[in-house]
Amino acid sequence: NAGVTQTPKFQVLKTGQSMTLQCAQDMNHNSMYWYRQDPGMGLRLIYYSASEGTTDKGEVPNGYNVSRLNKREFSLRLESAAPSQTSVYFCASSEAGGGGADTQYFGPGTRLTVL
Amino acid sequence: DQQVKQNSPSLSVQEGRISILNCDYTNSMFDYFLWYKKYPAEGPTFLISISSIKDKNEDGRFTVFLNKSAKHLSLHIVPSQPGDSAVYFCAASDIDNDYKLSFGAGTTVTVRA
Repeated sequence: NAGVTQTPKFQVLKTGQSMTLQCAQDMNHNSMYWYRQDPGMGLRLIYYSASEGTTDKGEVPNGYNVSRLNKREFSLRLESAAPSQTSVYFCASSEAGGGGADTQYFGPGTRLTVL
Repeated sequence: DQQVKQNSPSLSVQEGRISILNCDYTNSMFDYFLWYKKYPAEGPTFLISISSIKDKNEDGRFTVFLNKSAKHLSLHIVPSQPGDSAVYFCAASDIDNDYKLSFGAGTTVTVRA
Protein backbone atom coordinates (compact mmCIF):
# COMPACT_ATOMS: atom_id res chain seq x y z
CA ASN A 1 0.00 0.00 0.00
CA ALA A 2 1.98 2.99 -1.30
CA GLY A 3 -0.62 5.64 -0.40
CA VAL A 4 -0.22 8.73 -2.59
CA THR A 5 2.64 8.74 -5.09
CA GLN A 6 3.88 11.65 -7.19
CA THR A 7 6.24 11.88 -10.16
CA PRO A 8 8.66 13.42 -10.76
CA LYS A 9 10.28 14.35 -7.43
CA PHE A 10 12.25 17.22 -8.95
CA GLN A 11 11.94 19.18 -12.19
CA VAL A 12 13.63 22.21 -13.70
CA LEU A 13 11.88 23.99 -16.57
CA LYS A 14 12.61 27.01 -18.69
CA THR A 15 10.00 29.75 -18.95
CA GLY A 16 7.38 28.79 -21.52
CA GLN A 17 7.94 25.04 -21.34
CA SER A 18 5.10 22.71 -20.44
CA MET A 19 4.94 19.70 -18.19
CA THR A 20 2.55 17.38 -16.40
CA LEU A 21 2.84 16.34 -12.78
CA GLN A 22 1.46 12.89 -12.11
CA CYS A 23 -0.34 11.71 -8.98
CA ALA A 24 -1.80 8.32 -8.11
CA GLN A 25 -3.42 6.88 -4.98
CA ASP A 26 -4.13 3.26 -4.09
CA MET A 27 -6.53 3.86 -1.18
CA ASN A 28 -9.70 3.85 -3.31
CA HIS A 29 -10.33 7.46 -2.31
CA ASN A 30 -12.98 9.50 -4.06
CA SER A 31 -11.48 12.98 -3.74
CA MET A 32 -8.09 14.21 -4.93
CA TYR A 33 -6.36 17.58 -4.62
CA TRP A 34 -3.40 19.58 -5.90
CA TYR A 35 -1.68 22.12 -3.65
CA ARG A 36 1.33 24.34 -3.91
CA GLN A 37 3.50 25.32 -0.98
CA ASP A 38 5.48 28.54 -1.01
CA PRO A 39 7.68 29.89 1.80
CA GLY A 40 5.68 31.58 4.55
CA MET A 41 2.33 30.83 2.91
CA GLY A 42 1.32 27.35 3.90
CA LEU A 43 -0.43 25.15 1.34
CA ARG A 44 -2.79 26.66 -1.20
CA LEU A 45 -5.32 24.65 -3.18
CA ILE A 46 -4.89 24.77 -6.95
CA TYR A 47 -7.58 22.34 -8.15
CA TYR A 48 -9.53 19.48 -6.71
CA SER A 49 -11.67 16.59 -7.85
CA ALA A 50 -14.48 15.57 -5.51
CA SER A 51 -15.17 12.42 -7.51
CA GLU A 52 -14.13 10.69 -10.71
CA GLY A 53 -15.17 12.78 -13.68
CA THR A 54 -15.39 16.12 -11.85
CA THR A 55 -12.83 18.88 -11.29
CA ASP A 56 -13.12 22.30 -9.69
CA LYS A 57 -10.92 25.33 -9.18
CA GLY A 58 -9.32 26.04 -5.86
CA GLU A 59 -7.72 29.21 -4.54
CA VAL A 60 -4.92 29.61 -7.13
CA PRO A 61 -5.92 27.89 -10.42
CA ASN A 62 -4.49 30.36 -12.95
CA GLY A 63 -1.83 28.84 -15.19
CA TYR A 64 -2.81 25.25 -14.42
CA ASN A 65 -5.07 22.55 -15.80
CA VAL A 66 -6.00 19.19 -14.33
CA SER A 67 -7.29 15.84 -15.49
CA ARG A 68 -8.93 13.18 -13.34
CA LEU A 69 -7.91 10.29 -15.54
CA ASN A 70 -9.68 7.66 -13.43
CA LYS A 71 -10.40 7.10 -9.76
CA ARG A 72 -6.71 6.53 -8.99
CA GLU A 73 -4.99 9.24 -11.01
CA PHE A 74 -5.11 13.04 -10.98
CA SER A 75 -2.62 15.01 -13.09
CA LEU A 76 -1.65 18.69 -13.02
CA ARG A 77 -0.48 20.39 -16.20
CA LEU A 78 1.47 23.61 -16.64
CA GLU A 79 0.94 24.69 -20.25
CA SER A 80 3.46 27.55 -20.28
CA ALA A 81 5.57 27.62 -17.15
CA ALA A 82 6.43 30.93 -15.47
CA PRO A 83 8.98 31.70 -12.73
CA SER A 84 6.04 32.45 -10.39
CA GLN A 85 5.16 28.76 -10.58
CA THR A 86 8.40 27.77 -8.87
CA SER A 87 7.11 25.93 -5.84
CA VAL A 88 6.66 22.58 -4.16
CA TYR A 89 3.55 20.78 -5.40
CA PHE A 90 1.65 18.29 -3.28
CA CYS A 91 -1.08 15.92 -4.31
CA ALA A 92 -3.54 14.65 -1.71
CA SER A 93 -6.52 12.34 -1.54
CA SER A 94 -9.40 11.72 0.84
CA GLU A 95 -12.12 9.13 1.17
CA ALA A 96 -15.05 11.53 1.19
CA GLY A 97 -16.68 12.23 -2.13
CA GLY A 98 -18.70 15.36 -2.70
CA GLY A 99 -16.99 17.29 0.06
CA GLY A 100 -17.49 15.50 3.34
CA ALA A 101 -15.41 16.38 6.41
CA ASP A 102 -12.48 14.07 6.09
CA THR A 103 -8.74 13.64 6.44
CA GLN A 104 -6.55 14.30 3.44
CA TYR A 105 -3.45 12.17 2.84
CA PHE A 106 -0.51 13.72 1.03
CA GLY A 107 2.10 12.56 -1.41
CA PRO A 108 5.82 13.34 -1.01
CA GLY A 109 5.76 16.37 -3.28
CA THR A 110 7.34 17.60 -6.51
CA ARG A 111 9.89 20.41 -6.29
CA LEU A 112 9.58 22.51 -9.44
CA THR A 113 11.94 25.29 -10.48
CA VAL A 114 11.12 27.52 -13.45
CA LEU A 115 14.07 29.52 -14.79
CA ASP B 1 -6.99 37.12 2.83
CA GLN B 2 -5.64 34.31 4.98
CA GLN B 3 -8.43 32.79 7.06
CA VAL B 4 -6.16 30.58 9.17
CA LYS B 5 -3.20 32.15 10.93
CA GLN B 6 -0.31 30.69 12.83
CA ASN B 7 1.35 33.75 14.26
CA SER B 8 4.43 32.03 15.65
CA PRO B 9 6.74 30.98 12.81
CA SER B 10 8.96 29.00 15.16
CA LEU B 11 9.06 27.39 18.59
CA SER B 12 12.02 25.94 20.49
CA VAL B 13 11.37 23.59 23.42
CA GLN B 14 13.46 21.35 25.60
CA GLU B 15 13.02 17.60 25.33
CA GLY B 16 10.50 16.34 27.85
CA ARG B 17 8.70 19.69 28.18
CA ILE B 18 5.37 20.73 26.70
CA SER B 19 5.09 22.24 23.22
CA ILE B 20 2.08 24.51 22.66
CA LEU B 21 1.25 25.54 19.10
CA ASN B 22 -1.44 28.12 18.43
CA CYS B 23 -3.76 28.76 15.53
CA ASP B 24 -6.39 31.47 14.99
CA TYR B 25 -9.09 31.59 12.35
CA THR B 26 -11.44 34.26 11.06
CA ASN B 27 -14.19 32.27 9.35
CA SER B 28 -16.89 31.42 11.90
CA MET B 29 -18.28 28.79 9.51
CA PHE B 30 -15.26 26.51 9.95
CA ASP B 31 -16.40 23.34 11.71
CA TYR B 32 -13.60 20.84 11.22
CA PHE B 33 -9.98 21.40 12.14
CA LEU B 34 -6.83 19.38 11.58
CA TRP B 35 -3.15 19.47 12.45
CA TYR B 36 -0.53 18.17 10.06
CA LYS B 37 3.16 17.52 10.67
CA LYS B 38 5.76 17.91 7.94
CA TYR B 39 9.39 16.82 7.81
CA PRO B 40 11.75 18.35 5.22
CA ALA B 41 11.42 16.86 1.72
CA GLU B 42 8.30 14.91 2.71
CA GLY B 43 4.58 15.50 2.37
CA PRO B 44 2.45 16.60 5.33
CA THR B 45 1.18 13.76 7.49
CA PHE B 46 -2.08 13.89 9.43
CA LEU B 47 -1.67 14.26 13.17
CA ILE B 48 -5.00 14.93 14.86
CA SER B 49 -8.36 16.53 14.14
CA ILE B 50 -11.31 18.02 16.01
CA SER B 51 -14.90 18.73 15.10
CA SER B 52 -16.59 21.94 16.24
CA ILE B 53 -18.97 19.94 18.44
CA LYS B 54 -16.02 19.14 20.72
CA ASP B 55 -13.60 21.34 22.63
CA LYS B 56 -10.85 18.77 23.15
CA ASN B 57 -9.46 15.72 21.43
CA GLU B 58 -6.56 13.56 22.61
CA ASP B 59 -4.37 11.04 20.85
CA GLY B 60 -1.44 9.83 22.89
CA ARG B 61 0.98 12.70 23.47
CA PHE B 62 -1.06 15.04 21.28
CA THR B 63 -4.09 17.05 22.42
CA VAL B 64 -5.98 19.64 20.41
CA PHE B 65 -8.12 22.26 22.15
CA LEU B 66 -10.78 24.29 20.38
CA ASN B 67 -12.20 27.59 21.66
CA LYS B 68 -14.97 28.50 19.23
CA SER B 69 -15.86 31.80 20.84
CA ALA B 70 -12.27 32.98 20.49
CA LYS B 71 -11.83 31.30 17.09
CA HIS B 72 -8.69 29.71 18.43
CA LEU B 73 -7.24 26.24 18.57
CA SER B 74 -4.05 24.91 20.05
CA LEU B 75 -2.00 21.74 19.84
CA HIS B 76 -0.24 20.45 22.95
CA ILE B 77 2.56 17.92 22.69
CA VAL B 78 3.53 16.32 26.00
CA PRO B 79 6.26 15.31 26.47
CA SER B 80 8.13 16.73 23.51
CA GLN B 81 10.59 14.37 21.83
CA PRO B 82 13.40 15.00 19.31
CA GLY B 83 11.34 13.30 16.58
CA ASP B 84 8.70 16.00 17.04
CA SER B 85 11.02 18.53 15.41
CA ALA B 86 9.09 19.41 12.24
CA VAL B 87 6.80 22.03 10.71
CA TYR B 88 3.24 21.89 12.01
CA PHE B 89 0.33 23.15 9.93
CA CYS B 90 -3.10 24.01 11.21
CA ALA B 91 -5.97 23.55 8.72
CA ALA B 92 -9.69 24.30 8.80
CA SER B 93 -12.71 23.51 6.66
CA ASP B 94 -16.49 23.91 6.48
CA ILE B 95 -19.43 22.35 4.70
CA ASP B 96 -20.25 25.54 2.78
CA ASN B 97 -16.88 25.29 1.07
CA ASP B 98 -17.12 21.56 0.32
CA TYR B 99 -14.74 20.95 3.23
CA LYS B 100 -11.77 22.21 1.22
CA LEU B 101 -8.88 22.85 3.59
CA SER B 102 -7.51 26.29 4.40
CA PHE B 103 -4.00 26.07 5.83
CA GLY B 104 -2.00 28.27 8.14
CA ALA B 105 1.57 29.19 7.24
CA GLY B 106 3.05 26.67 9.68
CA THR B 107 5.12 26.68 12.87
CA THR B 108 8.59 25.14 12.91
CA VAL B 109 9.17 23.24 16.15
CA THR B 110 12.68 22.44 17.32
CA VAL B 111 13.06 20.08 20.27
CA ARG B 112 16.40 20.56 22.05
CA ALA B 113 18.09 17.63 23.76
